[in-house]
Amino acid sequence: EAAVTQSPRNKVTVTGGNVTLSCRQTNSHNYMYWYRQDTGHGLRLIHYSYGAGNLQIGDVPDGYKATRTTQEDFFLLLELASPSQTSLYFCASSVLGGIQDTQYFGPGTRLLVL
Amino acid sequence: QQKVQQSPESLIVPEGGMASLNCTSSDRNVDYFWWYRQHSGKSPKMLMSIFSNGEKEEGRFTVHLNKASLHTSLHIRDSQPSDSALYLCAATYNTNTGKLTFGDGTVLTVKP
Repeated sequence: EAAVTQSPRNKVTVTGGNVTLSCRQTNSHNYMYWYRQDTGHGLRLIHYSYGAGNLQIGDVPDGYKATRTTQEDFFLLLELASPSQTSLYFCASSVLGGIQDTQYFGPGTRLLVL
Repeated sequence: QQKVQQSPESLIVPEGGMASLNCTSSDRNVDYFWWYRQHSGKSPKMLMSIFSNGEKEEGRFTVHLNKASLHTSLHIRDSQPSDSALYLCAATYNTNTGKLTFGDGTVLTVKP
């Protein structure tokens, strides 16, 4: 099965703090995604990318930046964290990003903004 | 506006029973439906996908799709306690991007 890793697994920060969440996939997948999951909700897409240097806006991008430095690495940046960004964050990857492609998820990062 | 609606929000079935979960798209431009399963504290894992009318069976799991009504359903027969999880329905739309839009999920509990 496709391997996607995330770090850190847990993070606590204060309002206004700077946070970077990391994601790495070693599957040679082209597409990578960042989602957030809140209690009572499914996953909501923040940003995604189809290759190094590329960034596409998702459905809930406000307050988030992202950067894809290599094919393997995708970062999510919260430059002025707010309590509303307390959530469970998942990274995922897929081969070609097509409508038939399965997305494989990492283990998640739980973020608490105080 | 939520594009993918799931029902019920939660479901309790006895061990060995049949669980039926529903999912509907409010956008007619849907291409694929996906079912993901997420055990507590874990990440979502793809269970099944379907894009053509009819049904698809894999072991104890059967997925139905009615494209005219934009409705898919997941049926789990001979449910086991290990099937207890959050079941997420997702859809891709004809944008050629493969972006998934998720519903809020159904929490399934299988009682021994």
